[in-house]
Amino acid sequence: NAGVTQTPKFQVLKTGQSMTLQCAQDMNHEYMSWYRQDPGMGLRLIHYSVGAGITDQGEVPNGYNVSRSTTEDFPLRLLSAAPSQTSVYFCASRPGQVPSGANVLTFGAGSRLTVL
Amino acid sequence: AQKVTQAQTEISVVEKEDVTLDCVYETRDTTYYLFWYKQPPSGELVFLIRRNSFDEQNEISGRYSWNFQKSTSSFNFTITASQVVDSAVYFCALSDLFTGNQFYFGTGTSLTVIP
Repeated sequence: NAGVTQTPKFQVLKTGQSMTLQCAQDMNHEYMSWYRQDPGMGLRLIHYSVGAGITDQGEVPNGYNVSRSTTEDFPLRLLSAAPSQTSVYFCASRPGQVPSGANVLTFGAGSRLTVL
Repeated sequence: AQKVTQAQTEISVVEKEDVTLDCVYETRDTTYYLFWYKQPPSGELVFLIRRNSFDEQNEISGRYSWNFQKSTSSFNFTITASQVVDSAVYFCALSDLFTGNQFYFGTGTSLTVIP
């Protein structure tokens, strides 16, 4: 049981380049989300999805796109990378059982992105 | 507004000392969940505990204990007889009960246990 798998673990980009951070989970979780972690800022929610075909914005969505075509995958796209997007990115998922707020988030190992 | 405050940015203790990590939260919801996560130096985030707003009973798990006080909107975490393996960043988080679509994390407390 792999849990939540993120790729790549490390990436260096130049300003203006695009890339996709991949996230896959094998737990049949309905909810998936992306967070960024910056020093002194904790974890901030970028986008989330409550099921295939449904996505919504979190606290810091600007500069990022997401889609959810399958239950398993939730990729995060940076269309034109900026130095301000240098961060560690975490994908997290949880089951959809009600009440939803009770469900524990399971995190991936993180992806460290540097934008020069 | 939903907000979690962890005022202690960094704490250092000597091994075997007890240490308490503070967490204060703000929420407009009457029902909610609180969580603690641990992030060791390896970087992954590990779930430690969750507590719902209905239950103010304190919880103990080995050397770890949690004190939830609704009257002061606090959910503090105590490690008894700290060990070097406890060195990590600890995050407190808040979620509403019904949708759970947005978790609100504090900024974390970095704990260093000195041997």
